Amino acid sequence: AQKVTQAQTEISVVEKEDVTLDCVYETRDTTYYLFWYKQPPSGELVFLIRRNSFDEQNEISGRYSWNFQKSTSSFNFTITASQVVDSAVYFCALSGANDYKLSFGAGTTVTVRA
Amino acid sequence: SQTIHQWPATLVQPVGSPLSLECTVEGTSNPNLYWYRQAAGRGLQLLFYSVGIGQISSEVPQNLSASRPQDRQFILSSKKLLLSDSGFYLCAWSATGETEAFFGQGTRLTVV
Repeated sequence: AQKVTQAQTEISVVEKEDVTLDCVYETRDTTYYLFWYKQPPSGELVFLIRRNSFDEQNEISGRYSWNFQKSTSSFNFTITASQVVDSAVYFCALSGANDYKLSFGAGTTVTVRA
Repeated sequence: SQTIHQWPATLVQPVGSPLSLECTVEGTSNPNLYWYRQAAGRGLQLLFYSVGIGQISSEVPQNLSASRPQDRQFILSSKKLLLSDSGFYLCAWSATGETEAFFGQGTRLTVV
């Protein structure tokens, strides 16, 4: 069974601060995929990134960066120099290689104050 | 490019009334299609998924059903709504052989 844990329910920061969202997962699959989605107040889930279990290279995209550590089953997400537009609920998700269903964490609400 | 359309955006229905939510995908063929529900606690729960026309898998027992009458059309239905059916319903698609899913804008259903 797949399980994703996002222990942080809510995070509030002041603009320009960095914020790191934690994600810990459990799976018995040897090949799997990890994801992050953003849900702004409008409600639509926006795909941010997919990571393959065999690729532990960290990734940076603009102000976003992701730290995948297979040894600790974690896939953390950092927003650098946060902006008010980053305010949203962020979800971490997991799927098996042959299973196209996503198992989501409970989400972390990020509030960036001006 | 691929797009996903989901409607209506909001819906208020009385208990015991029927439900039909529709989702269509454009710009791709033979997508995997999904219905998720997000209850007030924010977590997303997979309700149904489909890998082809007429092929529906249900993840949780419930008051809802799904159908896929056409390749790029996915419908969520209920014959009689319950109060507990209230929530935010999201349709999603993924390409065959791919794992990342792309979501519609969601339908906020309130059963009164």
